[in-house]
Amino acid sequence: QKEVEQNSGPLSVPEGAIASLNCTYSDRGSQSFFWYRQYSGKSPELIMFIYSNGDKEDGRFTAQLNKASQYVSLLIRDSQPSDSATYLCAVSGDDKIIFGKGTRLHILP
Amino acid sequence: EAGVAQSPRYKIIEKRQSVAFWCNPISGHATLYWYQQILGQGPKLLIQFQNNGVVDDSQLPKDRFSAERLKGVDSTLKIQPAKLEDSAVYLCASSAGLAGGQETQYFGPGTRLLVL
Repeated sequence: QKEVEQNSGPLSVPEGAIASLNCTYSDRGSQSFFWYRQYSGKSPELIMFIYSNGDKEDGRFTAQLNKASQYVSLLIRDSQPSDSATYLCAVSGDDKIIFGKGTRLHILP
Repeated sequence: EAGVAQSPRYKIIEKRQSVAFWCNPISGHATLYWYQQILGQGPKLLIQFQNNGVVDDSQLPKDRFSAERLKGVDSTLKIQPAKLEDSAVYLCASSAGLAGGQETQYFGPGTRLLVL
């Protein structure tokens, strides 16, 4: 069965520091990788997607993909209290998408 | 551009009752998804439509859940009869492309269901 694994946390990071979120997946045929942010009581919203090995940067966010090791990560630089949320990793291939359980991130003021 | 609309936002029912949820995707989006998200877990795909055809319903409990997407636009998800373990948030999402694989999904606000 295809799986997406994330550490449930909570991950506590001081304000201004770098938050590092990790995700591993089991299906080597996976093609697309997404990071969603979900505030408590709200629906998920897309932060970034990545398709190719390497890094992809968007503002304070950097997604990193290593298909050989089957992991994808999200770095958040200069963490802000507003970044406190659950971060969902989603992996898709063959028209199917699977979400991880999410990592709770808490930015300490 | 209007986002994904869902109704109702909240629903409380007793077990063995029936309930229906409605979703209106972003205009022009071909693919529509229904997810179940239990507290503390990630969204679990229940059913995926491409236009008005079903792409994937492998995780839909077909003995009690049903869904349809008439005319390839709006969709309804029904639970009959509901069980206590159906208490969750039901999320609808849509994406632009014909295939879900590389398309960004946009989520609606969700419907919170509580089964007593």
